[in-house]
Amino acid sequence: EVQLVESGGGSVQPGGSLRLSCAASGFTFSSCEMNWVRQAPGKGPEWVSYIDSSGTPIYHADSVKGRFTISRDNAKNLVFLQMNSLRAEDTALYYCARDQPGRARGPFDMWGQGTMVTVSS
Amino acid sequence: DIQMTQSPSTLSASVGDRVTITCRASQSISSWLAWYQQKPGKAPKLLIYKASSLESGVPSRFSGSGSGTEFTLTISSLQPDDFATYYCQQYNTYSRTFGQGTKVEIK
Repeated sequence: EVQLVESGGGSVQPGGSLRLSCAASGFTFSSCEMNWVRQAPGKGPEWVSYIDSSGTPIYHADSVKGRFTISRDNAKNLVFLQMNSLRAEDTALYYCARDQPGRARGPFDMWGQGTMVTVSS
Repeated sequence: DIQMTQSPSTLSASVGDRVTITCRASQSISSWLAWYQQKPGKAPKLLIYKASSLESGVPSRFSGSGSGTEFTLTISSLQPDDFATYYCQQYNTYSRTFGQGTKVEIK
């Protein structure tokens, strides 16, 4: 089955860390550019991070630059988001999303179900 | 970052109505625009890419148009399954940005 499955979310205090994982199946993961996208409760989606199929280049939104790092393991069909120095405003549902194949920097044609991150004291 | 502005924020319509949603970019994005549909508790679903190309499996009542900074999503005859929130997204830059959304409600 073609799918993306996120895990690793949870509740954490401000200043804490979490590592999200996204497991891909049913397609040639190593050929696909991947992203993390988040959606705060009642808000629209916000792109967070991008990683090329080979692992570089990577890009992060200004709102998370210096705190979050995206990475991938093509041998295990996994993409990760290491989140450090978490803030209350990072509270959101975090989705893993695939760039539409065929063009670097495309729309997101496949999404996971999301994993919730709550930052609160 | 490129700012995306959608209008209206909320739209009340009836089954069978023709519905149009507008999206404006703060600078030219050529045709690098996508439209998504999102239902409560679900991930967004890609409907339209490259401003006017229909994603596989999406009903033909959905169509998109525009280029540069002005874009529209049209639903030719609204169906019960179409009541949802719609987002535009530019992908002209790696820093992909979304509009704030348009909620299509039952009139």
